[in-house]
Amino acid sequence: QVQLVQSGAEVRKPGASVKVSCKASGYTFTDRYLHWVRQAPGQGLEWLGWINPNTGGTKYAQRFQGRVTMTRDTSISTAYMELKRLRSDDTAVYYCARVFRRGYGPVDYWGQGTLVTVSS
Amino acid sequence: DIQMTQSPSTLSASVGDRVTITCRANQTISTWLAWYQQKPGKAPKFLMYKASTLVDGVPSRFSGSGSGTDFTLTISSLQPDDFATYYCQQYNLYSGTFGQGTKVEIK
Repeated sequence: QVQLVQSGAEVRKPGASVKVSCKASGYTFTDRYLHWVRQAPGQGLEWLGWINPNTGGTKYAQRFQGRVTMTRDTSISTAYMELKRLRSDDTAVYYCARVFRRGYGPVDYWGQGTLVTVSS
Repeated sequence: DIQMTQSPSTLSASVGDRVTITCRANQTISTWLAWYQQKPGKAPKFLMYKASTLVDGVPSRFSGSGSGTDFTLTISSLQPDDFATYYCQQYNLYSGTFGQGTKVEIK
């Protein structure tokens, strides 16, 4: 069965960086784009961008350009999302999610989420 | 990035009611629109894609329509399990912005 297992909760100070991992299983990792989405406490879903695990190609939401980097390691079917220069309003649950079909599109399977807390 | 606006933000309804949620894009996205349902403390659940195509296993009381910039999600007869927050997401031009969500609560 398809599973996306994310790394555990993180606490960072403002100005620091965080790197969240997402390990895929149950399907061919390089077949499906992965999106990264976050949700601040009590707020809605915010799209950060995607990575094509086959090529390493990425696209980031404009407001995160320059602060976010998405990478992958195909040998261990794992994707990573690094967010730099953290601020308190980056406190959120960060999700990875797999695209529904080959090629680009909406997502069907989600990771369990990783809580990132930014606090001095 | 394309902006998505949902309305209303909150909707109070009773079991059996017909419920409609609207999602508007600030530029045309053809039918590249998906809908998700989220319950507290859980990841979103994928309901629909291409504006009106139901995901396997989603009850037929859910339906979607629209193209271009204006879209709707309709629940024909609200059931207790449907009280949740609903999000639209556009996936045009390889981006993926979400609407701000519509919470469907018990009246």
